[in-house]
Amino acid sequence: SAVISQKPSRDICQRGTSLTIQCQVDSQVTMMFWYRQQPGQSLTLIATANQGSEATYESGFVIDKFPISRPNLTFSTLTVSNMSPEDSSIYLCSVEDKYSATEAFFGQGTRLTVV
Amino acid sequence: QQQVKQSPQSLIVQKGGISIINCAYENTAFDYFPWYQQFPGKGPALLIAIRPDVSEKKEGRFTISFNKSAKQFSLHIMDSQPGDSATYFCAASGVKDTGRRALTFGSGTRLQVQP
Repeated sequence: SAVISQKPSRDICQRGTSLTIQCQVDSQVTMMFWYRQQPGQSLTLIATANQGSEATYESGFVIDKFPISRPNLTFSTLTVSNMSPEDSSIYLCSVEDKYSATEAFFGQGTRLTVV
Repeated sequence: QQQVKQSPQSLIVQKGGISIINCAYENTAFDYFPWYQQFPGKGPALLIAIRPDVSEKKEGRFTISFNKSAKQFSLHIMDSQPGDSATYFCAASGVKDTGRRALTFGSGTRLQVQP
């Protein structure tokens, strides 16, 4: 299994500002995934980050709003830019399991509130 | 075609009873079906998973039943305990429109086991 640490665990931000969320994994992984979970809702994939290449974004999510960095095989960041109250959500980092080739491990999440 | 439909939305079970959560999918390209358990303030944790070449998988009190022809799968929690109270998500893994493998989550079931 993989241990994933996310920072910060929660934050309250002013609208119009940006927040960068960090995700650190205790082992090298090829793919890292960023999800959004709105209150009481399911998980929606934002983008997939592969080290050494640009992140691939899902429909409805764009790089200008959610820029992602993946500088090495154990770390990634997601920035939520020019925030509005609609961005208030839990943001989750996930990594794939080497054996099933699908993501199986999640960080504890970052609870973001935009005021 | 990428949807995974989950029911019920919420479930109340008495301690010692059986909890049953159902999911249905449309995309026959899905080839891995995990269930996640999420406690408040935590990220989802992989509970149990199945591939479509088997009809049932059991791990302790948790069993997945899989019906490939009906494109349905379900989670059964035997001898439900108050500690099982959490939100459960079914998911399906396959290649998305972006060409990359990723998970599609169901809408979640909030389970409450009463003592």
